[in-house]
Amino acid sequence: DVKVTQSSRYLVKRTGEKVFLECVQDMDHENMFWYRQDPGLGLRLIYFSYDVKMKEKGDIPEGYSVSREKKERFSLILESASTNQTSMYLCASSGFFGPGTRLTVL
Amino acid sequence: GENVEQHPSTLSVQEGDSAVIKCTYSDSASNYFPWYKQELGKRPQLIIDIRSNVGEKKDQRIAVTLNKTAKHFSLHITETQPEDSAVYFCAASDGGYQKVTFGTGTKLQVIP
Repeated sequence: DVKVTQSSRYLVKRTGEKVFLECVQDMDHENMFWYRQDPGLGLRLIYFSYDVKMKEKGDIPEGYSVSREKKERFSLILESASTNQTSMYLCASSGFFGPGTRLTVL
Repeated sequence: GENVEQHPSTLSVQEGDSAVIKCTYSDSASNYFPWYKQELGKRPQLIIDIRSNVGEKKDQRIAVTLNKTAKHFSLHITETQPEDSAVYFCAASDGGYQKVTFGTGTKLQVIP
């Protein structure tokens, strides 16, 4: 069974804080993705990575960065969290999703 | 970049009836079209997919069709059951780095 895990299910941060969301997969997949899910907007791609240390911008990369130092781990970084980044964040490894992190920025 | 449009946004059907969800895509280079089901509070799960060299694919009560010329693809669920109630997402991928672009989702309600 493919396992995709995310570091937190729920997270509350304050405006201006640096936020790290981590995703780990155990299937040796090359492609990993970060999406945010908002009501009525579906799943929007933030960044994706097709190899270690490789990254590509998705459709809404502004305000985010990513890191992929090891094949199994893909991190999403909010450099300075803002209230409009309150959302559900979903990591995917190839076609398999993690459980999501609901981030609230106060 | 790719743009995927999905209709309708909500759909209510009586148990036993059929449900159809339609999507269009913009990038003619897209060649892989997965469908995901997301139950309330859970992660999206792949339920069926189709590649551009195939026009139709079936798996028990669900089927997908693809019209490459018109850039349309659809999900068909027959003999709907209450457990089919969920949000369904269509998606399109260019197959290169497998970048997947999603539609905005259809909330399906099956009324017992």
